[in-house]
Amino acid sequence: GNSVTQMEGPVTLSEEAFLTINCTYTATGYPSLFWYVQYPGEGLQLLLKATKADDKGSNKGFEATYRKETTSFHLEKGSVQVSDSAVYFCALRTAGGGNKLTFGTGTQLKVEL
Amino acid sequence: DAGVIQSPRHEVTEMGQEVTLRCKPISGHDYLFWYRQTMMRGLELLIYFNNNVPIDDSGMPEDRFSAKMPNASFSTLKIQPSEPRDSAVYFCASRPSSMNTEAFFGQGTRLTVV
Repeated sequence: GNSVTQMEGPVTLSEEAFLTINCTYTATGYPSLFWYVQYPGEGLQLLLKATKADDKGSNKGFEATYRKETTSFHLEKGSVQVSDSAVYFCALRTAGGGNKLTFGTGTQLKVEL
Repeated sequence: DAGVIQSPRHEVTEMGQEVTLRCKPISGHDYLFWYRQTMMRGLELLIYFNNNVPIDDSGMPEDRFSAKMPNASFSTLKIQPSEPRDSAVYFCASRPSSMNTEAFFGQGTRLTVV
């Protein structure tokens, strides 16, 4: 079956630090990969996505590259801000997976001044 | 569009009571999903619908949980009777048919069963 493994949090960084949140996956077929962000008290919002190998998704300074050879989709940002404090979820979907998203457990990011 | 709308935002109920959570998906979206989020188990898919038809309910924890989608603009998740371990945030999400489009989430209903 499909599964997503994320690095455990919480991750605490100083403002302007470099961020990496690791995500690896197991899937049957060729998944589409997603990063969602959840701000306190809110629902999940799509941050970025990639639908095939070597695609790079990017949004709001965040990037993630679909690496088929390492089955990874690590999230990176060069300089985090306090406003990036949130929980980040890696997710995948396969056509054979019934169109449902499989989520990782989420990684809490806290950015301090 | 106002996005996926869930109600209520917060619900506190006593053990044994019936609880009904409501969701209005984005107009034109063919898929609707119900998720549950807890600290212990993270995000779990409970059930999803395609064109108002339940496709996969394997995530529904037990018979106390039921979900319906009587039309394209409304779905309910019912728990009867409720138990303290049902306390969680319940999210509804919807998306259109195209494979590579993302799901849009509502703001969730925080359920507390005391």
